[in-house]
Amino acid sequence: EAGVAQSPRYKIIEKRQSVAFWCNPISGHATLYWYQQILGQGPKLLIQFQNNGVVDDSQLPKDRFSAERLKGVDSTLKIQPAKLEDSAVYLCASSPEDRGFTGELFFGEGSRLTVL
Amino acid sequence: AQRVTQPEKLLSVFKGAPVELKCNYSYSGSPELFWYVQYSRQRLQLLLRHISRESIKGFTADLNKGETSFHLKKPFAQEEDSAMYYCALHGYQKVTFGTGTKLQVIP
Repeated sequence: EAGVAQSPRYKIIEKRQSVAFWCNPISGHATLYWYQQILGQGPKLLIQFQNNGVVDDSQLPKDRFSAERLKGVDSTLKIQPAKLEDSAVYLCASSPEDRGFTGELFFGEGSRLTVL
Repeated sequence: AQRVTQPEKLLSVFKGAPVELKCNYSYSGSPELFWYVQYSRQRLQLLLRHISRESIKGFTADLNKGETSFHLKKPFAQEEDSAMYYCALHGYQKVTFGTGTKLQVIP
């Protein structure tokens, strides 16, 4: 079974530029998550999709971050314009459950963003 | 609100010594607790979940609802256990992670 795929693995940009990350979850997984992990901290949920609907985006900085999940499969996370504090690893995860309590989360390798 | 607390950023133990990684949680209902692990240069992955009550790689964790804790334990640490460990609370449609504890096993 193929795992969660993310790209790019690394990205370096200057502040005020834009960047986009892509995630392809495990086939058939209904729930997709984007987490932000700043160095030394635990993963922080940015947005959670269930199929192609948003379940939780309460911690997504909507003035600069946006995300979509096309046709309930893969997803993109965009940052525009980027700030220095956005430097982090962006983790995508998926889970097969689509209701109630979530089961195991399967993570991608992450996309490391450095904002200069 | 659901919250997970891991009080130790770093835990250093000698090989063969017992290990206990602490995790406390706050949740109004009945939670499902998980431990995830991230080895160097690998992706975050599930280590174990309380509901299965299993031992993985010698690690066990017992959910104590009275103390709202889910501490991870291993009787004899091995060098390959060195990694970042995250406690996670799976609530209703929401997963919250702790800040993580780095376990360093000294040879």
